[in-house]
Amino acid sequence: GEDVEQSLFLSVREGDSSVINCTYTDSSSTYLYWYKQEPGAGLQLLTYIFSNMDMKQDQRLTVLLNKKDKHLSLRIADTQTGDSAIYFCAETADSNYQLIWGAGTKLIIKP
Amino acid sequence: DAGVTQSPTHLIKTRGQQVTLRCSPKSGHDTVSWYQQALGQGPQFIFQYYEEEERQRGNFPDRFSGHQFPNYSSELNVNALLLGDSALYLCASSLEGDSYEQYFGPGTRLTVT
Repeated sequence: GEDVEQSLFLSVREGDSSVINCTYTDSSSTYLYWYKQEPGAGLQLLTYIFSNMDMKQDQRLTVLLNKKDKHLSLRIADTQTGDSAIYFCAETADSNYQLIWGAGTKLIIKP
Repeated sequence: DAGVTQSPTHLIKTRGQQVTLRCSPKSGHDTVSWYQQALGQGPQFIFQYYEEEERQRGNFPDRFSGHQFPNYSSELNVNALLLGDSALYLCASSLEGDSYEQYFGPGTRLTVT
């Protein structure tokens, strides 16, 4: 079945860029997402990208998609302490209503 | 503009009991999906409701059932609770036609003892 994989942890210094990576197996993926989850909170939709795009930028966030390698990344520029959270990668196919999720990457910010 | 709301926030139940969780979608949304998130894991899709019918279901047993009301709000029912049902239950809403944008509520933390 479909699978989404992420590294469990990423540690960066405040002010540096964070790059969170994700790989997926479903070749029919149409939409790919990044969600943010802070402790005790629900999931916040950060951004998404259609599979026919290579890149999407939204303020400090840049999403890169390599469809050939089935690799998605999220770059957060000028990482701040408020960016500390778990970041989930998710995907869905056009004919499917469910999101398939990775296990999440915990972003740790060092002062 | 109210976002997705869920109730209750926390719930403690005993094995074998039944539980009902509630969700009100974001204003203007007509589709509700339910997810189960175990500690340290990503969410798992339970099912989605549209036009008061279950449209798609994930790999969950029949003990998990749901309902959608004419005002688009939804309930998730779990019967014969098991310890393994302890998790954060998340509701997401979307608008048919823009279903790729799902917005989540804060979740209900269910603990089964």
